[in-house]
Amino acid sequence: EDQVTQSPEALRLQEGESSSLNCSYTVSGLRGLFWYRQDPGKGPEFLFTLYSAGEEKEKERLKATLTKKESFLHITAPKPEDSATYLCAVQAELDDYKLSFGAGTTVTVRA
Amino acid sequence: EAQVTQNPRYLITVTGKKLTVTCSQNMNHEYMSWYRQDPGLGLRQIYYSMNVEVTDKGDVPEGYKVSRKEKRNFPLILESPSPNQTSLYFCASSRRSNQPQHFGDGTRLSIL
Repeated sequence: EDQVTQSPEALRLQEGESSSLNCSYTVSGLRGLFWYRQDPGKGPEFLFTLYSAGEEKEKERLKATLTKKESFLHITAPKPEDSATYLCAVQAELDDYKLSFGAGTTVTVRA
Repeated sequence: EAQVTQNPRYLITVTGKKLTVTCSQNMNHEYMSWYRQDPGLGLRQIYYSMNVEVTDKGDVPEGYKVSRKEKRNFPLILESPSPNQTSLYFCASSRRSNQPQHFGDGTRLSIL
């Protein structure tokens, strides 16, 4: 069974204080690892897909990286508008009809 | 605008009273899915549909039904709701099952 564990559960940052979120996963053959952002009262919004170890993707202050066991979402010089819950999900090669999600990391950035 | 629309957004109801949550997408996506989100458990898949008239169970299908008679619509049916189905529900769609999913804004169900 696919398992996804995100840490920490919550992260409080000062504006400009860079940090990283962790997503550890167990899957039988990774097809893709997805990062989503979720704002209060909204559905998850797609950020990145990573397919193979060593791959990196960037978008504004966010950078996602992937190894064979985990993914990191690095937030560089965060701003208050980066406050959200960040969700990680994996998709297995043989089960490409489903996403297995972690419980998320809630990031709060204070001005 | 590309979107996934769920209705209602909020519903308080009582045990045993049948209800339907509608989901509609305007992107001509083949794949659609329903999730429930509970604190500490993340999003869990209830049912999914690979295309019209093709549906299958996800990880937590008990107590739910779905149908896919048209490509754009994927309603979630609770025939006899119970309090343990109180949750936040999300519908999602994607062009294919292995592509990023677009999510609706959620339906918060409270079953008393």
